[in-house]
Amino acid sequence: GAVVSQHPSRVICKSGTSVKIECRSLDFQATTMFWYRQFPKQSLMLMATSNEGSKATYEQGVEKDKFLINHASLTLSTLTVTSAHPEDSSFYICSARDYAGGGPYEQYFGPGTRLTVT
Amino acid sequence: DQQVKQNSPSLSVQEGRISILNCDYTNSMFDYFLWYKKYPAEGPTFLISISSIKDKNEDGRFTVFLNKSAKHLSLHIVPSQPGDSAVYFCAASERGSQGNLIFGKGTKLSVKP
Repeated sequence: GAVVSQHPSRVICKSGTSVKIECRSLDFQATTMFWYRQFPKQSLMLMATSNEGSKATYEQGVEKDKFLINHASLTLSTLTVTSAHPEDSSFYICSARDYAGGGPYEQYFGPGTRLTVT
Repeated sequence: DQQVKQNSPSLSVQEGRISILNCDYTNSMFDYFLWYKKYPAEGPTFLISISSIKDKNEDGRFTVFLNKSAKHLSLHIVPSQPGDSAVYFCAASERGSQGNLIFGKGTKLSVKP
């Protein structure tokens, strides 16, 4: 099946610093990648949709200047949390859509990144 | 306003019996529905999906039923196994939305040996 990796799996940073999270599709090309955030005991909330070679589309309420998304290639998207604050601490998950296999709506998820801002 | 609702936060089932997880939706434009399984500190894993033109899809121990008139779908797992213990998310997608998924809040399934 389609495999999506994320790096790092866990990161602790100090308030005010920036953190970059990478999302890679390992065995397929992903023209579209999605970034989600999950709070404890809550659903996955879509933050933004990222299409290769174009600007990301952010969901309402998500600050695009704070959560920078770059989708430079068909296998890599990055999320940079700039000037992180403790309230940004969360579980961030990416997913990728593979047009070559499965249905058009199936997304394959990475293992997630636990961000803790102290 | 939640468009995808999973009203049961948890469900406990005995091993070997049937697990039934329910999901309701409000948006009549949804045309594709998916179920994902998630373990703690991991990303969701795709389980099974169903198009709105069907009312049933089966894959091994997993069957998804769709009742469009009631805007309701359910996931049946039979027989349930302890390894099925996880959080199950229902998700829906609207045609023309780039395949964006709207997730429910999940139901935590515990299968007891």
